[in-house]
Amino acid sequence: GENVEQHPSTLSVQEGDSAVIKCTYSDSASNYFPWYKQELGKRPQLIIDIRSNVGEKKDQRIAVTLNKTAKHFSLHITETQPEDSAVYFCAASVNTDKLIFGTGTRLQVFP
Amino acid sequence: ETGVTQTPRHLVMGMTNKKSLKCEQHLGHNAMYWYKQSAKKPLELMFVYNFKEQTENNSVPSRFSPECPNSSHLFLHLHTLQPEDSALYLCASSLRTGSSYEQYFGPGTRLTVT
Repeated sequence: GENVEQHPSTLSVQEGDSAVIKCTYSDSASNYFPWYKQELGKRPQLIIDIRSNVGEKKDQRIAVTLNKTAKHFSLHITETQPEDSAVYFCAASVNTDKLIFGTGTRLQVFP
Repeated sequence: ETGVTQTPRHLVMGMTNKKSLKCEQHLGHNAMYWYKQSAKKPLELMFVYNFKEQTENNSVPSRFSPECPNSSHLFLHLHTLQPEDSALYLCASSLRTGSSYEQYFGPGTRLTVT
């Protein structure tokens, strides 16, 4: 079955710097890759997703890139702000229902 | 509260108890999910229901028994749990269309098995 690895497990950046979180997946049939943000004590929320027919997608300060050949995808956050501090989860799936999540990255943005 | 709601928010139960977790979605979605979130582990998909039919059982022990009476309600019946079952149980729902696959999560039930 699908296996998703996520790195790093923790990431600390200065406000205004960029943050990059990387994930690799094992099932070459996976075609949907969402990223969820979970703030402390709150529910996970989708922040961006990408389908396998697209190499890059951007939404304001957030972007996701996908390399199907290498089977990895990354989340890029530019101009980080303290409110970006949270745990970020990547996921991969073949049929969009069965999401296999990574272990999460705790991002801390220091003012 | 709108969106996806879960009750109770906190539950402490002994290993011999029987309890149920409830999830309700007010979004008109047609798919619902149960996830388990443990410390330092990824979100683990447990069950998937599409149009009230179970389409995924991710090798979950039989002491967890899901029930989906309609597309708005989802239950997780618990019996003879183990301490390692202590975790945050999250419910989610989605509208399976060709353009959006976002899953909307509830606030979770924090379960402690003593």
